[in-house]
Amino acid sequence: TQLLEQSPQFLSIQEGENLTVYCNSSSVFSSLQWYRQEPGEGPVLLVTVVTGGEVKKLKRLTFQFGDARKDSSLHITAAQPGDTGLYLCAGTYSSASKIIFGSGTRLSIRP
Amino acid sequence: DAGVTQSPTHLIKTRGQQVTLRCSPKSGHDTVSWYQQALGQGPQFIFQYYEEEERQRGNFPDRFSGHQFPNYSSELNVNALLLGDSALYLCASSSSRGGNEQFFGPGTRLTVL
Repeated sequence: TQLLEQSPQFLSIQEGENLTVYCNSSSVFSSLQWYRQEPGEGPVLLVTVVTGGEVKKLKRLTFQFGDARKDSSLHITAAQPGDTGLYLCAGTYSSASKIIFGSGTRLSIRP
Repeated sequence: DAGVTQSPTHLIKTRGQQVTLRCSPKSGHDTVSWYQQALGQGPQFIFQYYEEEERQRGNFPDRFSGHQFPNYSSELNVNALLLGDSALYLCASSSSRGGNEQFFGPGTRLTVL
């Protein structure tokens, strides 16, 4: 049973389009992170959200933590080919605890 | 400043063999976590080492064991390899003194034939 469900699993869109990736759970997390992973590399942290309802922006990426701290979304505006990769959401129950990853969303941006 | 390094990058073994993977944490980090990432999946937590002891463990059998050395580097050992152990093994390091953000290495790709 996957504690963190991501949708969609795969997404292929045209350059310049907008997209949203979702991460849902029945568990409450103390914090939630979004990572991006490219082939042959480990995941790289994009953002951490800790407060319910929190919204963070990173250039064209907008991250939101659900009010109940069970879900999150990642919105990309005007996608570019460089955004291609595997996007992973992950949650932790406390600051020193293990990271629980979702199954990932594989994003492909066509030029 | 070197980030997290792992060796080897690729490894091929046969069923029943044993394997040892190595990880050097980012400078200043004292905590090492290991994850298994099967093809098309997100990473799954194996265990975490701090002060040379296993502090947390995920849902992995005893065939998976580890060690942390005084210089904070770590090893992951897997005995009696199964075909299903084929995966990317990721090491992540963090500091107990602040943040606990985990930085990942590039991983070791293990193939079991």
